[in-house]
Amino acid sequence: QVQLVESGGGVVQPGRSLRLSCAASGFTFSTYGMHWVRQAPGKGLEWVALISYDGSKKYYADSVKGRFTISRDNSKNTLFLQMNSLRAEDTALYYCAKDVGYGVIDYWGQGTLVTVSS
Amino acid sequence: SYEMTQPPSVSVSPGQTARITCSGDALPKKYVYWYQQKSGQAPVLVIYEDSKRPSGIPERFSGSSSGTMATLTISGAHVEDEADYYCYSTDTSGNVFGTGTKVTVL
Repeated sequence: QVQLVESGGGVVQPGRSLRLSCAASGFTFSTYGMHWVRQAPGKGLEWVALISYDGSKKYYADSVKGRFTISRDNSKNTLFLQMNSLRAEDTALYYCAKDVGYGVIDYWGQGTLVTVSS
Repeated sequence: SYEMTQPPSVSVSPGQTARITCSGDALPKKYVYWYQQKSGQAPVLVIYEDSKRPSGIPERFSGSSSGTMATLTISGAHVEDEADYYCYSTDTSGNVFGTGTKVTVL
């Protein structure tokens, strides 16, 4: 069965960086696009970024463009999100999610919490 | 990027029909997907490509789309359908979730 396990969250000061990871199993990771989606406490879902199956194409929400970088290591079945210049408004539960095609999400991890606070 | 707007809340009694709308100027050119998120859980896809139901999703969930509005209908709502529901659409400029609707069944 598909499993997505996020890690790397924590408390970080504004302006600092953090790198999230997502370990994938139960499917052929190298043939699917992958997403990051976040949810601020008590708020709705916000799509963050998408990477193609081979890493050649990357798409970002306007709110993180230029600060966040999505990447993947297909040899290790792992997805990453490098977050720089973090702001208080980046505080959220960050979900890793699998793309079924055309940008649609079919499986989600359980999320890792990022708190940006001084 | 574009926006999709949903009503903040919908309340129904068990057995009644709940309708959740999603409006957006770009919808006539796009498929809409619907996700259900129960408290403390990750979202689950309940409708794809406007009106198709993934395997394992009860038949009481249905979807439709016309013009700038898409609708998720729960016919004969169950207490366990109480959750937040989000519409979602994709675009080369960035994917978008709707603002979300809290459905209360009591």
